[in-house]
Amino acid sequence: GAGVSQTPSNKVTEKGKYVELRCDPISGHTALYWYRQSLGQGPEFLIYFQGTGAADDSGLPNDRFFAVRPEGSVSTLKIQRTERGDSAVYLCASSPGLQGPNEQFFGPGTRLTVL
Amino acid sequence: AQKITQTQPGMFVQEKEAVTLDCTYDTSDPSYGLFWYKQPSSGEMIFLIYQGSYDQQNATEGRYSLNFQKARKSANLVISASQLGDSAMYFCAMRRLRYNQGGKLIFGQGTELSVKP
Repeated sequence: GAGVSQTPSNKVTEKGKYVELRCDPISGHTALYWYRQSLGQGPEFLIYFQGTGAADDSGLPNDRFFAVRPEGSVSTLKIQRTERGDSAVYLCASSPGLQGPNEQFFGPGTRLTVL
Repeated sequence: AQKITQTQPGMFVQEKEAVTLDCTYDTSDPSYGLFWYKQPSSGEMIFLIYQGSYDQQNATEGRYSLNFQKARKSANLVISASQLGDSAMYFCAMRRLRYNQGGKLIFGQGTELSVKP
């Protein structure tokens, strides 16, 4: 079946611009996650949705970052007034939201470059 | 707070030999899960193996096994009979376990494994 998809795969923008990154989770997965991975580092948690609501947004670095999941499926990560330090690969993952390992399935990521 | 430590930035192994990738963790939660992911140069994170904190036996998945030592807070990944396609970054991760809920993964810094022919 289809895995997690993310668009665009690459995004180049200028400092100060607004960007939106989209994530399409695996069908039926109730949990959706956003992570950010800088070069040579492990992914860092940003926000987690259970259904339509943000269950944990403790990883969002500041109020320039915002994410939505209005219908409990597709999610959009929004970054306002981008800064060069926002350059990274943004990974989305989804999980079934059931008991057990509940492993997260990752998408290919969006590489964001802020010039 | 939860923390994952991977002390080996890079490892080399000869094809067909076994290799152990180290992972230690720190948490005050009584119930947690430990995960290993593989990240090839293509960038996608691939789930390999899972170990629950209350599992009595070490997890195994094909050529992957997890050497879980709870008292030492270690969860090392063992890859047997290494293949050239195993060359990748490997990440250890953990999350708190809550009934019927997900939760954020905390990742280590990763270990880059290179398999030599």
